[in-house]
Amino acid sequence: DAGVIQSPRHEVTEMGQEVTLRCKPISGHNSLFWYRQTMMRGLELLIYFNNNVPIDDSGMPEDRFSAKMPNASFSTLKIQPSEPRDSAVYFCASSFGTRSMDYEQYFGPGTRLTVT
Amino acid sequence: RKEVEQDPGPFNVPEGATVAFNCTYSNSASQSFFWYRQDCRKEPKLLMSVYSSGNEDGRFTAQLNRASQYISLLIRDSKLSDSATYLCVGMYSSASKIIFGSGTRLSIRP
Repeated sequence: DAGVIQSPRHEVTEMGQEVTLRCKPISGHNSLFWYRQTMMRGLELLIYFNNNVPIDDSGMPEDRFSAKMPNASFSTLKIQPSEPRDSAVYFCASSFGTRSMDYEQYFGPGTRLTVT
Repeated sequence: RKEVEQDPGPFNVPEGATVAFNCTYSNSASQSFFWYRQDCRKEPKLLMSVYSSGNEDGRFTAQLNRASQYISLLIRDSKLSDSATYLCVGMYSSASKIIFGSGTRLSIRP
C-alpha cells in the first residue's frame, strides 16, 4: 500500500519566489496534518484538516503561508513570498478518525525546502 | 517553559543495556500521549501510545504519570537498530493541539 506521498522531495528556491508543496494522504484517511521541522524549533503543527475542512490553522506562522485541501486525496501548502527563514523540512501526515486527534498519524517522507 | 520537554541527549549506551528517558508536560489538560521514533533524515513513525495503566510492546515499555505530569519510555536489551531520536507527543483534543517534544537522541554502540 502506498503511504503518504509528498512532492517535491527537495526544493531550492530564491527568496521572494512562490513555493507549493503537495501531499496525497493515505486512501481512506480523513485527517491531514502539515508540519514543519527545524533544528531550532523541532516539529511544529502548522494546520490540520478533518474531512477536507481546516480545523485549526493557529500554527501557520503568518499570512505568507496558506493551505488547501480541495478533495480527500490532495492537499497543498503554499508559501508566498518565500523567505530564507522558511527553510525547513515540511511533513504531511494523515490519520483516520474523528475530529479528535487521538489516532496514529502516518507521515510522508517530507519536503526539504531551502530558500536562498 | 516548553509545553512538552525532553532531555535532548544524546544517550550513548552499549548494546544490550536498558535505557530510559522521560518527557515532562506542563498542560494538565493533555489527554493523549505517544512516543514516535525518527531516524536521521526520515519521517517520524509511531512507536507506541501511552496509557495511564502503562503499556508494553516487546522490549519497549511506556508509562504515564499524571500526578507528576511525565511520561517515560524504557527500552530493554537495546539493539543497534534502536539508535534514533525519540519524540514525545502530547495531544489536547479539546483544543485541537498537538505538541511534539524536541526529541531525545539515542545512540547504541556495539
